[in-house]
Amino acid sequence: DAGVIQSPRHEVTEMGQEVTLRCKPISGHDYLFWYRQTMMRGLELLIYFNNNVPIDDSGMPEDRFSAKMPNASFSTLKIQPSEPRDSAVYFCASSPGDRPDSPLHFGNGTRLTVT
Amino acid sequence: EDQVTQSPEALRLQEGESSSLNCSYTVSGLRGLFWYRQDPGKGPEFLFTLYSAGEEKEKERLKATLTKKESFLHITAPKPEDSATYLCAVQGGTNAGKSTFGDGTTLTVKP
Repeated sequence: DAGVIQSPRHEVTEMGQEVTLRCKPISGHDYLFWYRQTMMRGLELLIYFNNNVPIDDSGMPEDRFSAKMPNASFSTLKIQPSEPRDSAVYFCASSPGDRPDSPLHFGNGTRLTVT
Repeated sequence: EDQVTQSPEALRLQEGESSSLNCSYTVSGLRGLFWYRQDPGKGPEFLFTLYSAGEEKEKERLKATLTKKESFLHITAPKPEDSATYLCAVQGGTNAGKSTFGDGTTLTVKP
């Protein structure tokens, strides 16, 4: 079990640029979550998918953020255009589909810095 | 709206000095309360799930308990390797699959 894999681990970009974060969930997990962690706001849920379908995107800050899950083994979170306030650690997590209250398995995150 | 409050924000202990971390929550229809451990530069790692008041779970030096309003993570005779941030999260009945996290307690254990 390789765990949840995120790339890149670190991303530094300039304001206005497009940023794409990538996630490979654990094989067989039906739920995929994108979280953002900052010192000020802690861990915030941005969006989650069940069987590749977005279920709740109410945490997505604004239209600059978009997420896709084209298949069961890959998801992306895109920010366009990026702003300095988007600087944070972005985590992807997955959980098995046997019950919706299963614990989350997190990747090691992507640290995004927007200058 | 589900809410989770953790206290204290930070806790410094000497090795072997037992203590407890608190997680107070408000949720409509608790589906599960979760404890995670997060080390610097890593994602949170799952420790325990508690589903109903009175339930207890143990793992090595850690023991989690649950009441209708709060959960405690008891740390018995901690070691320096227990130093980490401990996060509490809840899932409510109206938000299946959606975990709400507290801000965490950062534990430092001095040798």
